[in-house]
Amino acid sequence: GAVVSQHPSRVICKSGTSVKIECRSLDFQATTMFWYRQFPKQSLMLMATSNEGSKATYEQGVEKDKFLINHASLTLSTLTVTSAHPEDSSFYICSARGASGVNYNEQFFGPGTRLTVL
Amino acid sequence: AQKITQTQPGMFVQEKEAVTLDCTYDTSDPSYGLFWYKQPSSGEMIFLIYQGSYDQQNATEGRYSLNFQKARKSANLVISASQLGDSAMYFCAMREGRGFGNEKLTFGTGTRLTIIP
Repeated sequence: GAVVSQHPSRVICKSGTSVKIECRSLDFQATTMFWYRQFPKQSLMLMATSNEGSKATYEQGVEKDKFLINHASLTLSTLTVTSAHPEDSSFYICSARGASGVNYNEQFFGPGTRLTVL
Repeated sequence: AQKITQTQPGMFVQEKEAVTLDCTYDTSDPSYGLFWYKQPSSGEMIFLIYQGSYDQQNATEGRYSLNFQKARKSANLVISASQLGDSAMYFCAMREGRGFGNEKLTFGTGTRLTIIP
């Protein structure tokens, strides 16, 4: 199956700093990538949908200025948590859908990034 | 109203027994897809099985099968011959639409399955 990677897998940062998380489709081109957030013992909540070369579409209640998403190429999307605070500590997961030829019915998920803000 | 409802927060099952994880959904879109994912403690989301709203047959993938009852809007996951490695969180999810655009997945709250040796 298609492989999606995330980097870093775990990050600890001080309050007020910005953190960038990368999501890469390794063996396919992804026109659409999705960013999710998961608090402990809770479900995945979609934050935003990003399409290559265009602005991301954010879900209601998600601050676009705080969670900057860039989908600059068909294999890379980045999520930057700006001025992170302890309440931003969470598990961030990306997923990717293929441009063509890949099963349209499936999103391929990355392994996730655990962010801890001190 | 919740789009995806998983009513079992936790389940304990004896090894080698079959287990059914419940999922009901709510949508007015005639085109939709239903997914089950497994999330072990490491955190990655592992795709298990998919059922399209127009599929006539229930989906099966190895030990996983999806009991799709369209009129009741339920899509229960059945795991046959459970194994210790099946212990994980299981999420049911729905995509509304035909899946050719940016249709998002909506997840249920999950069921934590524990297999007892």
